[in-house]
Amino acid sequence: GNSVTQMEGPVTLSEEAFLTINCTYTATGYPSLFWYVQYPGEGLQLLLKATKADDKGSNKGFEATYRKETTSFHLEKGSVQVSDSAVYFCALLPSGGSYIPTFGRGTSLIVHP
Amino acid sequence: DGGITQSPKYLFRKEGQNVTLSCEQNLNHDAMYWYRQDPGQGLRLIYYSQIVNDFQKGDIAEGYSVSREKKESFPLTVTSAQKNPTAFYLCASSIPAGVGTEAFFGQGTRLTVV
Repeated sequence: GNSVTQMEGPVTLSEEAFLTINCTYTATGYPSLFWYVQYPGEGLQLLLKATKADDKGSNKGFEATYRKETTSFHLEKGSVQVSDSAVYFCALLPSGGSYIPTFGRGTSLIVHP
Repeated sequence: DGGITQSPKYLFRKEGQNVTLSCEQNLNHDAMYWYRQDPGQGLRLIYYSQIVNDFQKGDIAEGYSVSREKKESFPLTVTSAQKNPTAFYLCASSIPAGVGTEAFFGQGTRLTVV
């Protein structure tokens, strides 16, 4: 079946540090890949997405590249801010079948001033 | 503005009671989903519906029930058979299929058993 594996958190960084959150997936075919962000007590919001191999999704300084050869979609940001503190979820949408999104366990990011 | 509305934001349930969580969307989406979120476990799929009057069990459907009588509404009932219902519940919707289709989420309902 389909699955998403994220690095465990929390990830704790100082402001302006470089961020990487690893995500790998298992799926047949060519799934679409997503990163969502969740702020405390709220639902998930789409951060970025990529729909085919070598695509780069980007938004608000965050980037992730769809790597088919390594089945990965790592999230990166060059300089984090305190306001980036949240939980980040990697997700995939299968390219066929039931089209049900599958989510990773989430990675908590804490950014200190 | 289009979006998904979940209510209530906080809900308290006594042992042995059934409770119903509301989810309404005005995005004209065909597909709707219910997820349960527990600390460290991410999102687990409870039920989903891809069309009115039809729904399917997800990975953890035991102790839950749903209905889909209208396109915009997908209420979730947590029954007394659910032994550990305390969790954060998220409703989502999307267009039913297609490359890159993202899910849109409500703000969640936090259910606590007292």
